[in-house]
Amino acid sequence: KNQVEQSPQSLIILEGKNCTLQCNYTVSPFSNLRWYKQDTGRGPVSLTIMTFSENTKSNGRYTATLDADTKQSSLHITASQLSDSASYICVVSRNSGNTPLVFGKGTRLSVIA
Amino acid sequence: GAGVSQSPSNKVTEKGKDVELRCDPISGHTALYWYRQRLGQGLEFLIYFQGNSAPDKSGLPSDRFSAERTGESVSTLTIQRTQQEDSAVYLCASSLDGVLDEQFFGPGTRLTVL
Repeated sequence: KNQVEQSPQSLIILEGKNCTLQCNYTVSPFSNLRWYKQDTGRGPVSLTIMTFSENTKSNGRYTATLDADTKQSSLHITASQLSDSASYICVVSRNSGNTPLVFGKGTRLSVIA
Repeated sequence: GAGVSQSPSNKVTEKGKDVELRCDPISGHTALYWYRQRLGQGLEFLIYFQGNSAPDKSGLPSDRFSAERTGESVSTLTIQRTQQEDSAVYLCASSLDGVLDEQFFGPGTRLTVL
């Protein structure tokens, strides 16, 4: 079954601290993996996209990693800011078939002062 | 250029009424997607259009839900005989070519069924 599992479900950290969000997937055939950020009341916005051959990709203070062998990805946020408070969604694209996109349920991050 | 727009932003309706939700994708984007997001839950895929045709309708939860797209542009999602469990945010996204391209999301329509 094609699934994307994210952990933790929610996380509270102090401003300035780092954190890592996890994404495990059982999706095939794998095409790419994206991390989205969704602010409350807004639509998701893409942060990074990685294909099978990419291990790491950065976007400012966000760094995503991908291990295609273990089917795991992580999103590391450095020096967190209050504006990082949002839901972070992991999405895996399939190369074929129905349900081309499989969404995780997201990790809700709260950064507090 | 403008992003994906959706209307209305909020809709309150009574149980049993029909509702229409509208999505205007980014100009030139051939693929369009509808999702449902219940409070505190992840995104639930509903339907995907490539051009004006829908190759994947697998996510529509019941025959009360339908969607159409015209002119490879605007799309409407119609929910007939609304139920309280239909209350959710309905998000629309578009991508340039197909499912492997980045999706750009609209702000959503918050539907409340009383």
